[in-house]
Amino acid sequence: QKEVEQDPGPLSVPEGAIVSLNCTYSNSAFQYFMWYRQYSRKGPELLMYTYSSGNKEDGRFTAQVDKSSKYISLFIRDSQPSDSATYLCAMGPLGGTSYGKLTFGQGTILTVHP
Amino acid sequence: ETGVTQTPRHLVMGMTNKKSLKCEQHLGHNAMYWYKQSAKKPLELMFVYSLEERVENNSVPSRFSPECPNSSHLFLHLHTLQPEDSALYLCASSQGRAQQETQYFGPGTRLLVL
Repeated sequence: QKEVEQDPGPLSVPEGAIVSLNCTYSNSAFQYFMWYRQYSRKGPELLMYTYSSGNKEDGRFTAQVDKSSKYISLFIRDSQPSDSATYLCAMGPLGGTSYGKLTFGQGTILTVHP
Repeated sequence: ETGVTQTPRHLVMGMTNKKSLKCEQHLGHNAMYWYKQSAKKPLELMFVYSLEERVENNSVPSRFSPECPNSSHLFLHLHTLQPEDSALYLCASSQGRAQQETQYFGPGTRLLVL
């Protein structure tokens, strides 16, 4: 079983739609959670991060974590064509000596069409 | 731009060639990383350097040889590669080496091994 599972899509939605991107994980040691966005021909860039269960909002983006179910989500409201990209979830434990060692999902390809 | 540059952006090499990938970060960070990104697979961490010392080597074959001459530069030396090594190679840097540090990625080098 993979430590992190992410539906690769592709996901295609009309402009203005609410998008839900999801990851499940199996490692109880994971305590912080990140979402990266990767545009075509670019490297990933950090979109949001959170440590705790619950919701964290940043503009049109909401990151949700449910540690009891080992499930995280990223919601995009009022999606725009400029949101078209690959979205990667990433997570890791806190403390210890795992220097910056993140475990990534395989990414979900999102296309928002006008 | 993220402050992390990579050269070359594209590379085609035969299995008997020797080549090097270069990464430079202009952010004053102390940790640098090499990742491999293959189609439909999660990002795979290859190497981590902290203050020019290799602190992580994720069971990478010896045909990949990293070098970190100073905290701003990171190289990946390649020799006798296999076609399955074709992928996008991403460099990243972070301020420190704690797991929750934000990693800033370069645009990657697209490698094709013939």
